[in-house]
Amino acid sequence: QKEVEQDPGPLSVPEGAIVSLNCTYSNSAFQYFMWYRQYSRKGPELLMYTYSSGNKEDGRFTAQVDKSSKYISLFIRDSQPSDSATYLCASNYGQNFVFGPGTRLSVLP
Amino acid sequence: DSGVTQTPKHLITATGQRVTLRCSPRSGDLSVYWYQQSLDQGLQFLIHYYNGEERAKGNILERFSAQQFPDLHSELNLSSLELGDSALYFCASSVDSGTLAYEQYFGPGTRLTVT
Repeated sequence: QKEVEQDPGPLSVPEGAIVSLNCTYSNSAFQYFMWYRQYSRKGPELLMYTYSSGNKEDGRFTAQVDKSSKYISLFIRDSQPSDSATYLCASNYGQNFVFGPGTRLSVLP
Repeated sequence: DSGVTQTPKHLITATGQRVTLRCSPRSGDLSVYWYQQSLDQGLQFLIHYYNGEERAKGNILERFSAQQFPDLHSELNLSSLELGDSALYFCASSVDSGTLAYEQYFGPGTRLTVT
């Protein structure tokens, strides 16, 4: 079992839809939780990070962590074609970083 | 542009060979992380250096080694290359290795093809 699980998709939604991307994790020692966006043939780009359970909002993006159920979510409101990318969730214990396999999202105009 | 540079962009080499990948972190960042991304394994953490010292090792093979130099650039050395080493290799940097370690900025990657 991988430490961070993520549905690989692909996920296709129409422009303007609310997108929900989810991860589950198994390691209770995980500390911070991050979401990265990766466009094709590019390096991952940090979108958001959070430490505690609860919600964190940044523009159209909301990250949600539920440590009791080991569940991480990223919500994208008013999705745009430019949001089409692979989204990676990640976490760390100490200096070790673990990434999910990524979910490929397509937002159709 | 993240401010992290990696060279070369592409590398094609034969099995058994040795290659060196180079990374320059963002200005002011002391930490450098190396990752391998392949289709079947996803993004795998390899190794972390902070201000010249190794801080953590992930899934790094014994054939691979890295170092961080006094000017903070880093090199990843891959030797006795196998076909399965073909992947994208990313370098990331962060300001420190403490509470800001999760705020990593990735370079554009080096695509390694082993034939």
